[in-house]
Amino acid sequence: AQSVTQLGSHVSVSEGALVLLRCNYSSSVPPYLFWYVQYPNQGLQLLLKYTTGATLVKGINGFEAEFKKSETSFHLTKPSAHMSDAAEYFCAVSSSGTYKYIFGTGTRLKVLA
Amino acid sequence: NAGVTQTPKFQVLKTGQSMTLQCAQDMNHNSMYWYRQDPGMGLRLIYYSASEGTTDKGEVPNGYNVSRLNKREFSLRLESAAPSQTSVYFCASNRDATNEKLFFGSGTQLSVL
Repeated sequence: AQSVTQLGSHVSVSEGALVLLRCNYSSSVPPYLFWYVQYPNQGLQLLLKYTTGATLVKGINGFEAEFKKSETSFHLTKPSAHMSDAAEYFCAVSSSGTYKYIFGTGTRLKVLA
Repeated sequence: NAGVTQTPKFQVLKTGQSMTLQCAQDMNHNSMYWYRQDPGMGLRLIYYSASEGTTDKGEVPNGYNVSRLNKREFSLRLESAAPSQTSVYFCASNRDATNEKLFFGSGTQLSVL
């Protein structure tokens, strides 16, 4: 069975500081991993996805994530936070042969001026 | 390009009432999904339709029914609403594979009193 754990339901950073949102997954088969962002009163939008190949994945808005198989992690980072990054972020996992995405419980990012 | 359109955006029901949430996509996607989002629980899959003419249960199907009316439209019906169904409901679609990103509608906020 697949699962996703996001550590920290709320994260606060200062504007200009590093953003680090943590995601660990469990999967018995090679996973496909995703980060989605949700702005207030909107649906989720894809930030980035990992399928196979390069372990460092670059996404939109300056975000990137590194797939570490040995640590079963897929943490999301951004070198310098901007006020517009304030949103809720969801990690998700799926695998070939199933239509079921498994979403984490989400991390709400607050950016302090 | 409208993407995924959900109606209504807000709805208040009394316990025992019925209603149908509508979803349509204009991207010629084969697969469509209904999720519910509850605080601290992330997104949970209610039902999905891998292709026109097929539907399958997700993680939390009890109390819901779905209809894949055609390739564009996928509706979610609550036959007898309960307070436990108070949630934000999202429709999503993707082309035809689990490693494809999901496109989300803007959600329906449902309150059952």
